[in-house]
Amino acid sequence: GAVVSQHPSRVICKSGTSVKIECRSLDFQATTMFWYRQFPKQSLMLMATSNEGSKATYEQGVEKDKFLINHASLTLSTLTVTSAHPEDSSFYICSARGGVSNSPLHFGNGTRLTVT
Amino acid sequence: SQQGEEDPQALSIQEGENATMNCSYKTSINNLQWYRQNSGRGLVHLILIRSNEREKHSGRLRVTLDTSKKSSSLLITASRAADTASYFCATDGGTSYGKLTFGQGTILTVHP
Repeated sequence: GAVVSQHPSRVICKSGTSVKIECRSLDFQATTMFWYRQFPKQSLMLMATSNEGSKATYEQGVEKDKFLINHASLTLSTLTVTSAHPEDSSFYICSARGGVSNSPLHFGNGTRLTVT
Repeated sequence: SQQGEEDPQALSIQEGENATMNCSYKTSINNLQWYRQNSGRGLVHLILIRSNEREKHSGRLRVTLDTSKKSSSLLITASRAADTASYFCATDGGTSYGKLTFGQGTILTVHP
C-alpha cells in the first residue's frame, strides 16, 4: 500500500529556534498533502493544505509566517516551525492523497515536537 | 473547526466482545471515513463509506451511515487486544482537495 514517510519522529529544540519536518510519499505522487496538529488525547486539527508548486492554504487561526509550508515536488512537503515556543510543542502529522479527491488519506507516523 | 462528535469518548471491553462507536456530523458530506490511531503514531485508514451507501463491511468491521440523521457507527466484532487504539471518523465535504474533518475520537481499550 501507499507509504508516507515523516521525519523526524521526535525532535527537541530550544525556544527561538526553527524546526523542519519532512513528509514524503514513497511510492506515489501526491499533488496535495495535509498538515495536522494533535494535542494529547485530542483530535487532529487541520493546519494547512499543501499543493505542489503553489502556496499552501492555511486554516483560520494558523499563522502562515509561523508555520512555513513548502511543497516543492510531487513527493515532498515540508513544515517549518519558525521561532518555536513551548506552546508549539505538539504532535504534527502529515498526510497525502495519491488518487482522486475522495480516495483515502495516507498518514505519516507523526513528529513529536518538544520546545524547551 | 471540528465537525464530528464521537461517542463514547472512551470504551473499555473484554476480548471477544463487540465494540460500537458512533459519530455525528453537521454538514453534508461526500463520504465518511474511519481511521485508527495507535498511541503516538499516524492514522491508518480503515474503511470509507460514500454518502449514497448505508452499510459497508470489511473483515470484522461494519460501518453504517445515516445521512438523514448525519450519523455513522463503527462496529468491531469479536474484538482483540490488538484492536486497542483511538478511532476517528472523518468527513469529506466534497471540496476540490478532498479535505477531511476529523471527529473527536473514541479511545478503545480491549482487555485480554
